[in-house]
Amino acid sequence: EVQLVESGGGLVQPGGSLRLSCAASGFTFSSYWMHWVRQAPGKGLVWVSRINSDGSSTSYADSVKGRFTISRDNAKNTLYLQMNSLRAEDTAVYYCAIAAAGTGPYYWGQGTLVTVSS
Amino acid sequence: QSVLTQPPSASGTPGQRVTISCSGSSSNIGSNYVYWYQQLPGTAPKLLIYSNNQRPSGVPDRFSGSKSGTSASLAISGLRSEDEADYYCAAWDDSLSGWVFGGGTKLTVL
Repeated sequence: EVQLVESGGGLVQPGGSLRLSCAASGFTFSSYWMHWVRQAPGKGLVWVSRINSDGSSTSYADSVKGRFTISRDNAKNTLYLQMNSLRAEDTAVYYCAIAAAGTGPYYWGQGTLVTVSS
Repeated sequence: QSVLTQPPSASGTPGQRVTISCSGSSSNIGSNYVYWYQQLPGTAPKLLIYSNNQRPSGVPDRFSGSKSGTSASLAISGLRSEDEADYYCAAWDDSLSGWVFGGGTKLTVL
């Protein structure tokens, strides 16, 4: 059974940093691209970033470019999102999701909540 | 404002057929596949439609997708109470070099 379990969320002050993790199991992690998508409280879905299967190619939404870094460790079946210079508007539930090469999110984890507030 | 435009709400009675529209541009829907997601209250999104009109295994054939030009639609036939959820469209945008979502449509089953 495919499982994606996000962790690392919590309360952080503006300007602070946080690293999210997404532990994958039940499929060949190294064969799939991965996405991060976020959802502010009561709002819609917003794509954040994606990484290809071997980690050699990444893309970011303009709103996080230069502040967030997506990476993966295929030996540990884990996806990461390093978030720096956090702002109040980054407050959201962050979901990781699997995708076939070049395609949109297919299967989603349950999400982890990030709250940026003083 | 979302790059893809969806109506904020839709409604229908059990057994009815409802459609949800998604409007974009030549750089997203006009040149790339459309995806549709269902998000039940308090849960993670679930893929309903990919590649404009393909259903993943396990998704009932009551759900169907279509695309014409720079617009797409999700149709739900034989509406059930458990279909009450938020629905989102998505597509790759060539100009933004990123994925874009619609603002979501809240479907109410009356």
